[in-house]
Amino acid sequence: EVQLLESGGALVQPGGSLRLSCAASGFTFSSYAMSWVRQAPGKGLEWVSAIINSGGSTHYADSVKGRFTISRDNSKNTLYLQMNSLTAEDTAVYSCAKTGKSSGYYLYNWFDSWGQGTLVTVSS
Amino acid sequence: DIQMTQSPSSLSASVGDRVTITCRASQSISSYLNWYRQKPGRAPELLIFAASSSHSGVPSRFSGRGSGTAFTLSISSLQPEDFATYYCQQTYSSPLTFGGGTKVEIK
Repeated sequence: EVQLLESGGALVQPGGSLRLSCAASGFTFSSYAMSWVRQAPGKGLEWVSAIINSGGSTHYADSVKGRFTISRDNSKNTLYLQMNSLTAEDTAVYSCAKTGKSSGYYLYNWFDSWGQGTLVTVSS
Repeated sequence: DIQMTQSPSSLSASVGDRVTITCRASQSISSYLNWYRQKPGRAPELLIFAASSSHSGVPSRFSGRGSGTAFTLSISSLQPEDFATYYCQQTYSSPLTFGGGTKVEIK
């Protein structure tokens, strides 16, 4: 059974930093691209970032480009999201999502498993 | 960026009703369109991928159609667990984008 468990969410002040983790199990982590998706309170889904299976290519939404960094450690089956220069607009539940097709790429694909998410609150 | 527009944004229906949700892309996305259901307080669940392929374990009452810029998700007979919010998503080009969601409520 696929399991994705996020951690690292917290209350942080504007301008602060946070590192989220997503521990994966139940599948061959190194074969799948992974993404982070966020959902602000009462709002819809917003894709944040993706990383291909090898970690050699990363992609970001314009809203986080230059501030967030996605990475992965295939030896630890763990996905990360380093978030810097946080603003109130970054307040959301952040979830990791696994692609469904083991192409290693995130385009032309879908998210077949999601974690429950970790809450990031940016406030003074 | 490709904009995804869902309609309606909300609807009221009864158990047993047939429901159709529409998703339109601002440019052609071929068949790279997925549908998810999100129950309150829960993670989204994949229903349909590649416009019309049902994800494993998804009940047959869910079906998807379309290609290019116009897509639909149909639920043939609404069940109590289907009262939720539905999202479409395009994975044709980066950034990946979701529709704004359609909330299906009990009439």
